[in-house]
Amino acid sequence: QKEVEQDPGPLSVPEGAIVSLNCTYSNSAFQYFMWYRQYSRKGPELLMYTYSSGNKEDGRFTAQVDKSSKYISLFIRDSQPSDSATYLCAMSVAGSQGNLIFGKGTKLSVKP
Amino acid sequence: NAGVMQNPRHLVRRRGQEARLRCSPVKGHSHVYWYRQLPEEGLKFMVYLQKENIIDESGMPKERFSAEFPKEGPSILRIQQVVRGDSAAYFCASSPLEGNYGYTFGSGTRLTVV
Repeated sequence: QKEVEQDPGPLSVPEGAIVSLNCTYSNSAFQYFMWYRQYSRKGPELLMYTYSSGNKEDGRFTAQVDKSSKYISLFIRDSQPSDSATYLCAMSVAGSQGNLIFGKGTKLSVKP
Repeated sequence: NAGVMQNPRHLVRRRGQEARLRCSPVKGHSHVYWYRQLPEEGLKFMVYLQKENIIDESGMPKERFSAEFPKEGPSILRIQQVVRGDSAAYFCASSPLEGNYGYTFGSGTRLTVV
């Protein structure tokens, strides 16, 4: 079993839809959870960063962490064509700052 | 306010040559991380450095790969005697503080070994 599992998609939605992206993980020691967005041929861009369980909201983006289920989610409201990208989840244990474990990414396409 | 700068953007090397990848972190950031992204694979951690120190190199291959972050100048990832399997995108990231897990990534160097 891989440490972090993420459905690669592709996921195609119409403009304005609510998008739900998810990752599951196996290591209960993970404490830090991140979502990155990566456009083609670019580096990952940090979207959301949460510690432990709970929800965090930033504009159209909401991140949820459910440590009891080892499941994290990213919701995008009112999706736009400019949201079309690959979304990567990443996580880390405390005290292992350098070593983020990434999912393979979900490719999202938002159609106008 | 420049982000993480990586150069070159694209690098082509023949098998057996050396590849040098450079990374200048965000101004004021003293923590640098290197990741590798193979085709159809996720980002894999390679090494974590602070100025003049390697903090964690648990993701680095034992042979041919080395990294440094000198007191002055950019961080360098060096691959000696490259092989076709080294072809990948290499990303550098930086952060300002210990304990800050939200990195800023560069645009990467795409290494092709022919």
